[in-house]
Amino acid sequence: ETGVTQSPTHLIKTRGQQVTLRCSSQSGHNTVSWYQQALGQGPQFIFQYYREEENGRGNFPPRFSGLQFPNYSSELNVNALELDDSALYLCASSLYQTTEAFFGQGTRLTVV
Amino acid sequence: AQKITQTQPGMFVQEKEAVTLDCTYDTSDQSYGLFWYKQPSSGEMIFLIYQGSYDEQNATEGRYSLNFQKARKSANLVISASQLGDSAMYFCAMRGAHAGGTSYGKLTFGQGTILTVHP
Repeated sequence: ETGVTQSPTHLIKTRGQQVTLRCSSQSGHNTVSWYQQALGQGPQFIFQYYREEENGRGNFPPRFSGLQFPNYSSELNVNALELDDSALYLCASSLYQTTEAFFGQGTRLTVV
Repeated sequence: AQKITQTQPGMFVQEKEAVTLDCTYDTSDQSYGLFWYKQPSSGEMIFLIYQGSYDEQNATEGRYSLNFQKARKSANLVISASQLGDSAMYFCAMRGAHAGGTSYGKLTFGQGTILTVHP
């Protein structure tokens, strides 16, 4: 196990609703990245947080937002959910500018 | 921009045999890192092996080795002595290495290869 935990593991939401996904990073890791993985695809980078600030962002609209807390845990918030937001959301933690990123087990979001 | 290409949607291998999963990449960065991850059906991405672009030796981690050919921009994963538990999706990924830059943390993934190990 990597020590990165995500909650919840599964979630069903209705189109137009808002959702918050949570990630606890591995002990000692100060950087958290979020990825969206659609079925049958590779993960796509959403954004990264370091020292409680967004530190890089992929090609996702502003309704995807995040937070990082002083204990380095993180939240991913998605507003105005769309059917295409249905995916596995992965959180990865690492030490800033080091080699390895360790992933959690993911949150599987279904939008109906 | 960085791009990872995995041309094998699926691969089959007999238990105890070796298998090579292909990965080619494209980047304009001089310094970068290449990763392989395993994703079982449970969804968690499991880190397998890392190769830095300036590493002269091919990376090895137990039964996993990375065949790094910089001139060809390829970073193939070799799994020796396959086991039934190796059946999973495998992803090749790249990270830029601009220290302090916003691209550093971003991993760019390929489409993945599903490996099936037969008894």
